Amino acid sequence: SQELEQSPQSLIVQEGKNLTINCTSSKTLYGLYWYKQKYGEGLIFLMMLQKGGEEKSHEKITAKLDEKKQQSSLHITASQPSHAGIYLCGADKDHFNKFYFGSGTKLNVKP
Amino acid sequence: KAGVTQTPRYLIKTRGQQVTLSCSPISGHRSVSWYQQTPGQGLQFLFEYFSETQRNKGNFPGRFSGRQFSNSRSEMNVSTLELGDSALYLCASSKTSGGVFEQFFGPGTRLTVL
Repeated sequence: SQELEQSPQSLIVQEGKNLTINCTSSKTLYGLYWYKQKYGEGLIFLMMLQKGGEEKSHEKITAKLDEKKQQSSLHITASQPSHAGIYLCGADKDHFNKFYFGSGTKLNVKP
Repeated sequence: KAGVTQTPRYLIKTRGQQVTLSCSPISGHRSVSWYQQTPGQGLQFLFEYFSETQRNKGNFPGRFSGRQFSNSRSEMNVSTLELGDSALYLCASSKTSGGVFEQFFGPGTRLTVL
């Protein structure tokens, strides 16, 4: 089973709508990373959260890590077609640089 | 600063052959990790190299191997290719700065095994 569970698996939203993607771990996370991937391409780093309760924003994307450091959410405000892609959460396992990822959330934004 | 580069971008091989993929990390980054991405299994960690030594390894058979050179460039080799090895292979360059692990990905090599 996946150590990082992402939901939903896919999402279709109308341009301008807000949306939230969740990433849940069964273990305490040392660091939680969000990446975006266009189909067949490499991953683009979005942001990294380390402290419980931490929240970071970049343009219209906000990510939060809950107090217990076992769940993170990625929120997109006023979505645009440029936001379309696959969003992946990743975590550093035990600080030993053995990284693992969630299964990804495929986002499609309809103009 | 140049990003992570991977060559080739696309590759077609037949079963039983072997393949070598190359990755050049961001200047100053000494750690290089390799990942396999498939529709069925998602993104899976293969191995990580640091200062020419394999530091971490995922759960892949011995047909998958790698190495890192003194200039931090890394190669990944897959021998006796199987159809299931068809995937996007991603290389990531990383460093730890102030306790924060920063990892940046290359564009990937799309391997098709026929």
